[in-house]
Amino acid sequence: DAGVTQSPTHLIKTRGQQVTLRCSPKSGHDTVSWYQQALGQGPQFIFQYYEEEERQRGNFPDRFSGHQFPNYSSELNVNALLLGDSALYLCASSSLAEGRGDTQYFGPGTRLTVL
Amino acid sequence: GNSVTQMEGPVTLSEEAFLTINCTYTATGYPSLFWYVQYPGEGLQLLLKATKADDKGSNKGFEATYRKETTSFHLEKGSVQVSDSAVYFCAFLSGGTGGFKTIFGAGTRLFVKA
Repeated sequence: DAGVTQSPTHLIKTRGQQVTLRCSPKSGHDTVSWYQQALGQGPQFIFQYYEEEERQRGNFPDRFSGHQFPNYSSELNVNALLLGDSALYLCASSSLAEGRGDTQYFGPGTRLTVL
Repeated sequence: GNSVTQMEGPVTLSEEAFLTINCTYTATGYPSLFWYVQYPGEGLQLLLKATKADDKGSNKGFEATYRKETTSFHLEKGSVQVSDSAVYFCAFLSGGTGGFKTIFGAGTRLFVKA
């Protein structure tokens, strides 16, 4: 049973560029959430997708956008990159269909460096 | 607002020492509580969880008890190993039918010396 997978593992971009990160949820899971973890800090919630719609959003600017596909996989897009966007981006999946979906399982993350 | 407060690290212990990492939370209602662990260069792994008051979550020798009265969820292990060196995050689930998110503490780094 594959867990949550993310790609790429590492990415280096320059300021002003755009980036797309990808996530495949754990088998049987239908909900995907994205988090940003800056160095030395706890993860911060970006947004959550269920049934291909954004259900909830954290305090992140509109430069951060996402998408969920019919197979439940998801993308995180960040436009006009800033140096402060450098972080580990974590994807988490859970299953609302199985009840409260109260446990989120995390992927290994994508390390984004903005120069 | 919703938040988690963990004891500051780093915590440095010798192998076989007793571990306690304190965690308190501020939340609406009685959310599910979690401890996640992050090994160097890796993502987060769920270590244990508790979903209601007085529940005890346990895994790999670690345990934590959901204390509603003190809004706490302290992590303990009787005898740590070098392989337990990692960053530990206390967290809870916030939200409802409109969506939910996990609220994390800042993390506590643990170093275990041989």
